[in-house]
Amino acid sequence: DTAVSQTPKYLVTQMGNDKSIKCEQNLGHDTMYWYKQDSKKFLKIMFSYNNKELIINETVPNRFSPKSPDKAHLNLHINSLELGDSAVYFCASSPRTGPYNEQFFGPGTRLTVL
Amino acid sequence: GNSVTQMEGPVTLSEEAFLTINCTYTATGYPSLFWYVQYPGEGLQLLLKATKADDKGSNKGFEATYRKETTSFHLEKGSVQVSDSAVYFCALRRASSNTGKLIFGQGTTLQVKP
Repeated sequence: DTAVSQTPKYLVTQMGNDKSIKCEQNLGHDTMYWYKQDSKKFLKIMFSYNNKELIINETVPNRFSPKSPDKAHLNLHINSLELGDSAVYFCASSPRTGPYNEQFFGPGTRLTVL
Repeated sequence: GNSVTQMEGPVTLSEEAFLTINCTYTATGYPSLFWYVQYPGEGLQLLLKATKADDKGSNKGFEATYRKETTSFHLEKGSVQVSDSAVYFCALRRASSNTGKLIFGQGTTLQVKP
């Protein structure tokens, strides 16, 4: 059984398009995250939701908008895609916020903007 | 601010060699420290963690000791295998964090040759 799943796994699109990435977790966790991994493997948090409430919103362009319809899902919508958005996007979840809880990561979505 | 610095890779070793990947951190108080591993084409998995000074985390033959005096959390393994080839990330979470936010190092690629 997949714990944290993301769709699609690969996404190739043209500059200026709008696209969405979906994430679902079946672990019963309260908290979900979006991370961006660039071409040098550097990993940075973008957003986090706890029970559908936004709790982390890092310095991310307004073109990125997360949406959490319920605590098992956290989707990422990107408007007006740019070349620099090309990266691997990881979704993660954890039981709750706090300093000790393990985060479980999805397999990633590789976004390529042409 | 809070940050994590890892040794630059790639690290290339022969099978059964001893592995050390250095990790140092900057943070106030006593953060929790983690090592995550990313196998090719996959998401991150928690490898081990330590939540207070002098704690030793261990898993799958890997170990790391939380050293407050040197602000370090170096990853070690006595005898690496080809299957250990992956990218390793050191990360911290502030003790006072109420969001679960992880701060990652830049990642170190390990290549193990037969």
